[in-house]
Amino acid sequence: DGGITQSPKYLFRKEGQNVTLSCEQNLNHDAMYWYRQDPGQGLRLIYYSQIVNDFQKGDIAEGYSVSREKKESFPLTVTSAQKNPTAFYLCASRGLKRGQETQYFGPGTRLLVL
Amino acid sequence: GQNIDQPTEMTATEGAIVQINCTYQTSGFNGLFWYQQHAGEAPTFLSYNVLDGLEEKGRFSSFLSRSKGYSYLLLKELQMKDSASYLCAVRDEGYSTLTFGKGTMLLVSP
Repeated sequence: DGGITQSPKYLFRKEGQNVTLSCEQNLNHDAMYWYRQDPGQGLRLIYYSQIVNDFQKGDIAEGYSVSREKKESFPLTVTSAQKNPTAFYLCASRGLKRGQETQYFGPGTRLLVL
Repeated sequence: GQNIDQPTEMTATEGAIVQINCTYQTSGFNGLFWYQQHAGEAPTFLSYNVLDGLEEKGRFSSFLSRSKGYSYLLLKELQMKDSASYLCAVRDEGYSTLTFGKGTMLLVSP
């Protein structure tokens, strides 16, 4: 059964440091998404990509960057410009799985600033 | 823009029925989704409505009224494992993005 993997599960960042979160999917989905989740804030869209080599900013893109060089991979870089990066980061892909078209999520990466 | 409202918390008893409401005001609409999220885990898909009416799937049902901008998720025969956050999400007209509500934390007690 295909799925979405994210690594690492926990990530620690020092002040002023860039970090990259990995997201890989083997569902053959075209569209992929990055969300940030803070307590009491729900999921907020950072970036999304509907096709390889193309991506769009979401609602809170400042301080983040992405690339989409391969269909399977959509890494997110949290730059030093993101002043409050501590959050739970969720990657998703959109497509059909067991007959239902929707977004399916990876297990998430929890980022903590030291 | 999109504005989605859900109650912050609800409590219910094991074996009971609970209804979680979601209201939305959006500039475009192309379907409403419900997800379940246990603490520290990823959201998992529960249901999808694009036409008015009730969709039933085992112990879970979801209802949509597009004219009222209103949906609810109905959970029957509650079990302790149903304690989780329930997220309502609206898809935009272009089918490209979902906008999520802040989620409703449901606590099921014995």
